Amino acid sequence: RKEVEQDPGPFNVPEGATVAFNCTYSNSASQSFFWYRQDCRKEPKLLMSVYSSGNEDGRFTAQLNRASQYISLLIRDSKLSDSATYLCVVIHASGGSYIPTFGRGTSLIVHP
Amino acid sequence: NAGVTQTPKFRVLKTGQSMTLLCAQDMNHEYMYWYRQDPGMGLRLIHYSVGEGTTAKGEVPDGYNVSRLKKQNFLLGLESAAPSQTSVYFCASSDVGTSGRYNEQFFGPGTRLTVL
Repeated sequence: RKEVEQDPGPFNVPEGATVAFNCTYSNSASQSFFWYRQDCRKEPKLLMSVYSSGNEDGRFTAQLNRASQYISLLIRDSKLSDSATYLCVVIHASGGSYIPTFGRGTSLIVHP
Repeated sequence: NAGVTQTPKFRVLKTGQSMTLLCAQDMNHEYMYWYRQDPGMGLRLIHYSVGEGTTAKGEVPDGYNVSRLKKQNFLLGLESAAPSQTSVYFCASSDVGTSGRYNEQFFGPGTRLTVL
């Protein structure tokens, strides 16, 4: 079982829809969590950090559920420009190092 | 402030050839990482470094070597390229803030490598 799992999708939604992605992780000692956005053939770029208290940035909300070991991303009022692949990243500390593990990504397609 | 840069952007190799990919960052980050990304596989960690002169193996290290002689540079080497190493390679750097929280990774634009 992969350490970090995401539903690959694609999620195909109309403009204005609300869509939610989940990402589960297996290492209970994981310390930090992020959502990245990746456009086709480009490098990933940070979308949001994920905190236990939740994090909101405009139309985007990220949540962490440590008890159930998952993080979520909610996108409200979807725009065409939100079409991309969304990657979750889980960081765990090991021997003084910080080891990132990426999920395989969830593809979002927003259509008119 | 260029962030993270990678050279080259594209390369085609024949099986058995060697090459080195260069990653450079100007943010004084301690942590640097090399990933490969294949269709449907997400980003997989090849090797990483937690500071100048240190390197460690990631999830898929076989067939690759790395060096971090200077803090700002992280080199990825392929000694004898194989078609299975055809991929997009991303370099990233990050750091830990004064609060002890791990900060975001910044990525380079990627190197698209094809091994024939």
